[in-house]
Amino acid sequence: AQKVTQAQTEISVVEKEDVTLDCVYETRDTTYYLFWYKQPPSGELVFLIRRNSFDEQNEISGRYSWNFQKSTSSFNFTITASQVVDSAVYFCALGRGSSNTGKLIFGQGTTLQVKP
Amino acid sequence: NAGVTQTPKFRILKIGQSMTLQCTQDMNHNYMYWYRQDPGMGLKLIYYSVGAGITDKGEVPNGYNVSRSTTEDFPLRLELAAPSQTSVYFCASSLRTNGELFFGEGSRLTVL
Repeated sequence: AQKVTQAQTEISVVEKEDVTLDCVYETRDTTYYLFWYKQPPSGELVFLIRRNSFDEQNEISGRYSWNFQKSTSSFNFTITASQVVDSAVYFCALGRGSSNTGKLIFGQGTTLQVKP
Repeated sequence: NAGVTQTPKFRILKIGQSMTLQCTQDMNHNYMYWYRQDPGMGLKLIYYSVGAGITDKGEVPNGYNVSRSTTEDFPLRLELAAPSQTSVYFCASSLRTNGELFFGEGSRLTVL
């Protein structure tokens, strides 16, 4: 069975703090894809990153970084020096490599509040 | 560059009424999806399509129907609306399987 768990329902930090959002996934597939999406208060969903299961290199994009560890089935997302604009709901998602449908399984989401 | 366009953005329905949520994309994507988002529950897949004329059920298809007569359009039909269908609905499209999803702005539906 495919499953994504984001155990942190809500996180509150003060601006400039670093924060890590956890994502744990379950799959029996050897080829799979992991995603993070951001949903700001305005409601739209914005793509942040896509990784495949064969690429365990950590990725950094500005203040954002992602740590993919197959050994622990985790794909965690860290925001460095958080800003108020980072306040949003963040979703982790899993796609099956063997599928030709592109269906994704989403986690429940983590609401991040960054206070000034 | 419109991307994925959903209409309406808000709608209130009475129990038993029917309606169609419209979704159009102008990116020539083959893959299209309808998700619903309930508070604290993430996004659940209702229906999806891998190309014109091809549709299939997702996790929570009951009470909904779709059609895909063109590459651009993927309407979602709610028959006999029930309070359990109160949710925010998102249409999305993708160029390729397991590619980036492009989402519409969402449609907030309330069934009273």
